[in-house]
Amino acid sequence: DQQVKQNSPSLSVQEGRISILNCDYTNSMFDYFLWYKKYPAEGPTFLISISSIKDKNEDGRFTVFLNKSAKHLSLHIVPSQPGDSAVYFCAARPFNFGNEKLTFGTGTRLTIIP
Amino acid sequence: DSGVTQTPKHLITATGQRVTLRCSPRSGDLSVYWYQQSLDQGLQFLIQYYNGEERAKGNILERFSAQQFPDLHSELNLSSLELGDSALYFCASSADRGMGYTFGSGTRLTVV
Repeated sequence: DQQVKQNSPSLSVQEGRISILNCDYTNSMFDYFLWYKKYPAEGPTFLISISSIKDKNEDGRFTVFLNKSAKHLSLHIVPSQPGDSAVYFCAARPFNFGNEKLTFGTGTRLTIIP
Repeated sequence: DSGVTQTPKHLITATGQRVTLRCSPRSGDLSVYWYQQSLDQGLQFLIQYYNGEERAKGNILERFSAQQFPDLHSELNLSSLELGDSALYFCASSADRGMGYTFGSGTRLTVV
């Protein structure tokens, strides 16, 4: 049962354009959402997060949007840069102490074309 | 350097063998999580320890076990290894009530 889904295994975007990565979830108990970025031979690194009390969170070139009614979130990267080429994982967890387990999606491989 | 240390980085072993993967969490983090990433798969949660106690269990096989020691480092033991156990094994740690994890760079296990 895949509770967090990233339906696009890969995405190619021209340098300077906007990259949009999508994520859907099914568990209504999820209240906190994160994006991680992973380069080859490295562990995932935290990128940006959002709690369910917000519908948008911005950090520099990265913005995460949350649509709770649709159980959908997206990560926007603008402008896209070659260093953004990586695998991006969406993750979710309930917002309660004692249950910190993150559930991850299968990832989207983003390739930025120079 | 994320602060989470995993050893070894690479491991090649034969079917039927047993291996131990080691993780040292970031200083001050009480929780340790183990995840498995197989080819083209997402990160599958295996198990979480908090301050020495098992807190949550995921899709961890009975052939696998883990523990967290008083100094908070953790070990994941994989026994009776099968070809399908070949994967990247990640350890992550988080602070008390932490909302996100810090991952180590992983151990790549190859079973031949």
